Amino acid sequence: GAVVSQHPSWVICKSGTSVKIECRSLDFQATTMFWYRQFPKQSLMLMATSNEGSKATYEQGVEKDKFLINHASLTLSTLTVTSAHPEDSSFYICSARGSRTQYFGPGTRLTVL
Amino acid sequence: AQRVTQPEKLLSVFKGAPVELKCNYSYSGSPELFWYVQYSRQRLQLLLRHISRESIKGFTADLNKGETSFHLKKPFAQEEDSAMYYCALTFNTDKLIFGTGTRLQVFP
Repeated sequence: GAVVSQHPSWVICKSGTSVKIECRSLDFQATTMFWYRQFPKQSLMLMATSNEGSKATYEQGVEKDKFLINHASLTLSTLTVTSAHPEDSSFYICSARGSRTQYFGPGTRLTVL
Repeated sequence: AQRVTQPEKLLSVFKGAPVELKCNYSYSGSPELFWYVQYSRQRLQLLLRHISRESIKGFTADLNKGETSFHLKKPFAQEEDSAMYYCALTFNTDKLIFGTGTRLQVFP
């Protein structure tokens, strides 16, 4: 079946630094990937839609300069949290659109100290 | 605005009991509805979608447009059904809008 990986699975960083999270579709090509954010005991909130070869589409309230998305190939999208602050600490999940539905990655837990 | 509502945060039942996880949505058009499941320490995965009209792991869900509901049902719950269940919809695009989720606990 379709598999989506994320790297790293968890990361701890200092406030003010930037963190890059990778999302890869391992056995299929994905022209569209999605980035979600999930706070503890809350639902997934869509942050942005990542389209291969074009700019990402951000949801209302999501700062595009804060959360940089690059979708340079059909199997890789990256999310960079720039100048991270403690309030950016969260669980970030990506998904890739397959033939029937979205396939989700395992998530990346970001902790900003 | 489109919205998915799952009124129950937690649903606890004993093994063998029937289960119904409620999901209501608000959308004026014709959305596509899904149920996703997340088992402990695993990633989110698709359980079923309304257009398939299929039964997966004994679960079924019927789209009721009049009541704008898409409740998930299983006649006899199993311990391995314990998980977090999310109802979601999409409309004309690939964007998924998720409900807040319901944690199902099935006791032996």
